[in-house]
Amino acid sequence: GAVVSQHPSWVICKSGTSVKIECRSLDFQATTMFWYRQFPKQSLMLMATSNEGSKATYEQGVEKDKFLINHASLTLSTLTVTSAHPEDSSFYICSARWRGNTDTQYFGPGTRLTVL
Amino acid sequence: LAKTTQPISMDSYEGQEVNITCSHNNIATNDYITWYQQFPSQGPRFIIQGYKTKVTNEVASLFIPADRKSSTLSLPRVSLSDTAVYYCLVGDQAAGNKLTFGGGTRVLVKP
Repeated sequence: GAVVSQHPSWVICKSGTSVKIECRSLDFQATTMFWYRQFPKQSLMLMATSNEGSKATYEQGVEKDKFLINHASLTLSTLTVTSAHPEDSSFYICSARWRGNTDTQYFGPGTRLTVL
Repeated sequence: LAKTTQPISMDSYEGQEVNITCSHNNIATNDYITWYQQFPSQGPRFIIQGYKTKVTNEVASLFIPADRKSSTLSLPRVSLSDTAVYYCLVGDQAAGNKLTFGGGTRVLVKP
């Protein structure tokens, strides 16, 4: 149980284009989803928290107009990196938790984004 | 926001027990302690979670003293495949249980 998937697992795009990453909870309803970014040899950094049906809450320093988050259903959240640039290249990881257990987050496998 | 401190790295050998201690001096009354394992280019994997005393599952044990200002993850009889980064996290109930990742402990298991 508690499986979270991400799609795609990796993506390469040209500078200036937008990329959408999907995060799905496969066997539970995720009332809250989180998006993290991880650079090589570094720890995970929380970007934003999204609750189903409401606007995402972004961490300080994260541009909400650049990283668009949508959490339209209890099993799907999307992160769109708009006008991507090489410095946006990173490993993006989502996590999800459900209402019945707000103390535990389950993480997806991550998406490797490379912007050329 | 509860912050955690753990050793940067640890080396061990196959078959040995590995104990990683994490400090969380300002943990709040309702906060849980959770440990995750991460392999390169993968998302963190849940290992174990606890609130107080001792918790054991099929892969690890978690020891939490009465003051809850620290916790110790115990991995029995590690194998090469246990080489990974281990993160100790405290959910901040006051902040919606957000997780703030520290640097983690890089465990290297040698043959």
